[in-house]
Amino acid sequence: AQRVTQPEKLLSVFKGAPVELKCNYSYSGSPELFWYVQYSRQRLQLLLRHISRESIKGFTADLNKGETSFHLKKPFAQEEDSAMYYCALSPYSGGSNYKLTFGKGTLLTVNP
Amino acid sequence: DAGVTQSPTHLIKTRGQQVTLRCSPKSGHDTVSWYQQALGQGPQFIFQYYEEEERQRGNFPDRFSGHQFPNYSSELNVNALLLGDSALYLCASSLAREGYSPLHFGNGTRLTVT
Repeated sequence: AQRVTQPEKLLSVFKGAPVELKCNYSYSGSPELFWYVQYSRQRLQLLLRHISRESIKGFTADLNKGETSFHLKKPFAQEEDSAMYYCALSPYSGGSNYKLTFGKGTLLTVNP
Repeated sequence: DAGVTQSPTHLIKTRGQQVTLRCSPKSGHDTVSWYQQALGQGPQFIFQYYEEEERQRGNFPDRFSGHQFPNYSSELNVNALLLGDSALYLCASSLAREGYSPLHFGNGTRLTVT
């Protein structure tokens, strides 16, 4: 069975500081990893997926299969980045939304 | 485009009762997934419907059942409600096709079982 762990429930940084939200996963196959974000009073939405290798809103995430990690990083945090971030895993690679397993989430607060 | 709409927004039921939650997918989407989000937890996958059939199921008992209609809208039914079923129920839609279609989530239905 797959599992996603986000070790930090809360993370607080100052504007302009680097930020890293940690995500570790447990799965024996080749999963697909995602980051979802929920801004205040908005719906849960996709931020990025590892396959696309994109930088979205300045965020990047690299899949490290050796360490089974998918940490989300941004070099210079902005106040509008304050939100709840969820790491998620799908056991099916290659473009699938099947059976996503979510972590418990990390609430990021960017202070002015 | 209203996106994914769910009804009702809030619901209070008594233990042992049955409940039906409804979801209309984003325009153009044909696949609906349901998630349960307990307080302080991430969403947990219940099941996914495509072409009016349950395609995938998570680790939920048979008390949780669903349906998808020809217009792609969906219902989630929960029988014999338990206190532990109190949660936010999220519906997400996507498009089944070659290539990736991100999940679009609704605002959820907050179910309280007393």
